[in-house]
Amino acid sequence: NAGVTQTPKFQVLKTGQSMTLQCAQDMNHEYMSWYRQDPGMGLRLIHYSVGAGITDQGEVPNGYNVSRSTTEDFPLRLLSAAPSQTSVYFCASRGAVGDTQYFGPGTRLTVL
Amino acid sequence: LAKTTQPISMDSYEGQEVNITCSHNNIATNDYITWYQQFPSQGPRFIIQGYKTKVTNEVASLFIPADRKSSTLSLPRVSLSDTAVYYCLAQRASGRAGSYQLTFGKGTKLSVIP
Repeated sequence: NAGVTQTPKFQVLKTGQSMTLQCAQDMNHEYMSWYRQDPGMGLRLIHYSVGAGITDQGEVPNGYNVSRSTTEDFPLRLLSAAPSQTSVYFCASRGAVGDTQYFGPGTRLTVL
Repeated sequence: LAKTTQPISMDSYEGQEVNITCSHNNIATNDYITWYQQFPSQGPRFIIQGYKTKVTNEVASLFIPADRKSSTLSLPRVSLSDTAVYYCLAQRASGRAGSYQLTFGKGTKLSVIP
């Protein structure tokens, strides 16, 4: 049982480049979400999904796109990277509203 | 969801009991109090969750008074490995899709000193 997995672990981009952060979970969880964490800060919600085909914006969605074609996968796309998107990105999943949320190991992204 | 307030940082010596208090004055009837722990370079992980009175597991205890406007996470006999950031959250127990969101504040940075 792998839980929540994220790839890559580290990534360096140049301003304007695009990339996709991958997230997968094997717990058959309906709810998945993406957070970013900047130094010394808490986690801020970017986008979330309550099931395949359903996504919605969180607190800081600008510059990011998501899609949910399967229950297992929830990729996060940066269409045109900016230095302000330098951060650590965490994916999380949960089975139901009151359940424990499980986090992935994170992706450390640097945009030059 | 209710906003939570907790101290920014705390220091403790090894072997001592640590109590971290969180205030949540506007907590809703169907909100649980949930605590997460985060080590450097890792994602947060669930510690404990409660609704009222006291909950204990193998890691910590959680005390919630009758008015539920605050809660206290208690870590018994801390060790150096307990150095981490601890987050207090109000988590909706049930409801519509929007109830899934969790709001993380800056948390409490606990430093355990040898």
